[in-house]
Amino acid sequence: RKEVEQDPGPFNVPEGATVAFNCTYSNSASQSFFWYRQDCRKEPKLLMSVYSSGNEDGRFTAQLNRASQYISLLIRDSKLSDSATYLCVVMTGFQKLVFGTGTRLLVSP
Amino acid sequence: EPEVTQTPSHQVTQMGQEVILRCVPISNHLYFYWYRQILGQKVEFLVSFYNNEISEKSEIFDDQFSVERPDGSNFTLKIRSTKLEDSAMYFCATRPDRGNSPLHFGNGTRLTVT
Repeated sequence: RKEVEQDPGPFNVPEGATVAFNCTYSNSASQSFFWYRQDCRKEPKLLMSVYSSGNEDGRFTAQLNRASQYISLLIRDSKLSDSATYLCVVMTGFQKLVFGTGTRLLVSP
Repeated sequence: EPEVTQTPSHQVTQMGQEVILRCVPISNHLYFYWYRQILGQKVEFLVSFYNNEISEKSEIFDDQFSVERPDGSNFTLKIRSTKLEDSAMYFCATRPDRGNSPLHFGNGTRLTVT
């Protein structure tokens, strides 16, 4: 089983739609979780950390389910500018942060 | 906002040559990383570095690779005897502490091996 797994997509949604991405991780001892966004040929940029109780930042909501080793990201009211690849990142081992393959989102007018 | 700075932005080298990629971490950050991303593929962990030594490395990070922080500011990745398959984007990332802080990435160095 891969350390961090994501559906690669692409997810094609119209503007205004709600879209959800999922991520699973294999190491039950993992402690820290993040969602990053990557635009084409650019560096990953932090979207949000994921906390045990779930957290929200504007249109973005992240959830963590430790029992199922599952993380989710919900984007409400999608904008054209949300088109990007969304990367799930999990800290495994001693300070090692592992990326999923990423899920590509395409928001159309 | 403080940034991680990487140089050069693009490096072209011939197969078999050595390259050194440079990174200037954010000043109060203590944990340093190198990742690579082959075009169209995932971001892959190479190595983490703390207190002037490697803390973890991946299977990719073999004897061809080395890291150091020679002058207390620059954090470098050296690739000896480059191969065609080393062509990728190399990202430096740093974190301030060992808690739950996220990675801060530099803009990356695009390495092209011909």
